[in-house]
Amino acid sequence: DTEVTQTPKHLVMGMTNKKSLKCEQHMGHRAMYWYKQKAKKPPELMFVYSYEKLSINESVPSRFSPECPNSSLLNLHLHALQPEDSALYLCASSQETLAGDEQYFGPGTRLTVT
Amino acid sequence: GENVEQHPSTLSVQEGDSAVIKCTYSDSASNYFPWYKQELGKRPQLIIDIRSNVGEKKDQRIAVTLNKTAKHFSLHITETQPEDSAVYFCAAMYYGQNFVFGPGTRLSVLP
Repeated sequence: DTEVTQTPKHLVMGMTNKKSLKCEQHMGHRAMYWYKQKAKKPPELMFVYSYEKLSINESVPSRFSPECPNSSLLNLHLHALQPEDSALYLCASSQETLAGDEQYFGPGTRLTVT
Repeated sequence: GENVEQHPSTLSVQEGDSAVIKCTYSDSASNYFPWYKQELGKRPQLIIDIRSNVGEKKDQRIAVTLNKTAKHFSLHITETQPEDSAVYFCAAMYYGQNFVFGPGTRLSVLP
């Protein structure tokens, strides 16, 4: 299985809602990533988990809260988002966080904040 | 931090012609340089990558070259086909952890 899956595919939420994005991989990868991609822009790294521990937080606002319950799962908890947070949220995984480890991307969750 | 520039931002070529996309990076510690293709509404997919100890790598119609001294790397696609039309992103990995993507190149292959 060489696939990263993400749910839901689409999500519409109000600014007072709490929701979660889910990501799953069964490739035995020990590194997992969250990226945010706005239209016509490149993916921007948000968080990196290595061996289930948060290793990188790219100064992301606290209304985004990542969680890695086990080596196969990665969640992104959302609370009190702003309309400008509307974007495609991509999850990725790699063998580890070493240079040369290919990152496999999931299909993304398209988030709209109203 | 790392900064990756990419040119051109858009590129149109006739089917069968070659396409070249160029990227520069700022951090000499970067040691891994992948290229991703992203079709509209799809996920980014790795098409080729190169490590800093290699100067050139080829995979069928796709090749990548790296000049560490000048801190630039390029993607070459030969015999382009309509299905090559997509947005292409270069990236540089630094400190062994982060990926910084270039702004992207929208390639259109005209039949």
